[in-house]
Amino acid sequence: DAGVTQSPTHLIKTRGQQVTLRCSPKSGHDTVSWYQQALGQGPQFIFQYYEEEERQRGNFPDRFSGHQFPNYSSELNVNALLLGDSALYLCASSLTGLFGELFFGEGSRLTVL
Amino acid sequence: RKEVEQDPGPFNVPEGATVAFNCTYSNSASQSFFWYRQDCRKEPKLLMSVYSSGNEDGRFTAQLNRASQYISLLIRDSKLSDSATYLCVVNMRPQGGSEKLVFGKGTKLTVNP
Repeated sequence: DAGVTQSPTHLIKTRGQQVTLRCSPKSGHDTVSWYQQALGQGPQFIFQYYEEEERQRGNFPDRFSGHQFPNYSSELNVNALLLGDSALYLCASSLTGLFGELFFGEGSRLTVL
Repeated sequence: RKEVEQDPGPFNVPEGATVAFNCTYSNSASQSFFWYRQDCRKEPKLLMSVYSSGNEDGRFTAQLNRASQYISLLIRDSKLSDSATYLCVVNMRPQGGSEKLVFGKGTKLTVNP
């Protein structure tokens, strides 16, 4: 039973560029959430997708956008990258109704130069 | 006041010790609580869910005090493998808003031989 998979695992971008991160949820899970984790901090909620729609959003600017596909996989897009966007981006999947019981992927570590 | 605050740590304890972490939350309407464990440079993993006054799983005990708005995690007979960062997570429902998971910054534990 595959868990949550994310790609790429590491990437380096320069300021102003755009990045797309991908996530496949755990088998049987229908809800995908994205988190940003800076060094030494807890994960910060970006947004959550369910049934291909953004259901909730945290305090992140519109430069952060996402998508969920019919097979429940998801993408996170960040435009006009800033140095402060450097972080570990974590995807988590869950079942509807078990909101707090998240299964995380290993994350995509983004460095913006 | 931060939504979720944890002991800043770090905690350094010898094997076999008992250690407790505290976490306070700001939203009295919060309904569910979780402890996650995160190993260095790895993804968070669910350790325990706390839906009522507390929960016990082997050496781990989580307690909830709704009146004082805090959750604690007690680890008995610490093992070297318990070394990790422990994240307190609260499922909040802000007034007029939808529920959201808020992570604390985490408390780092090192168990020494």
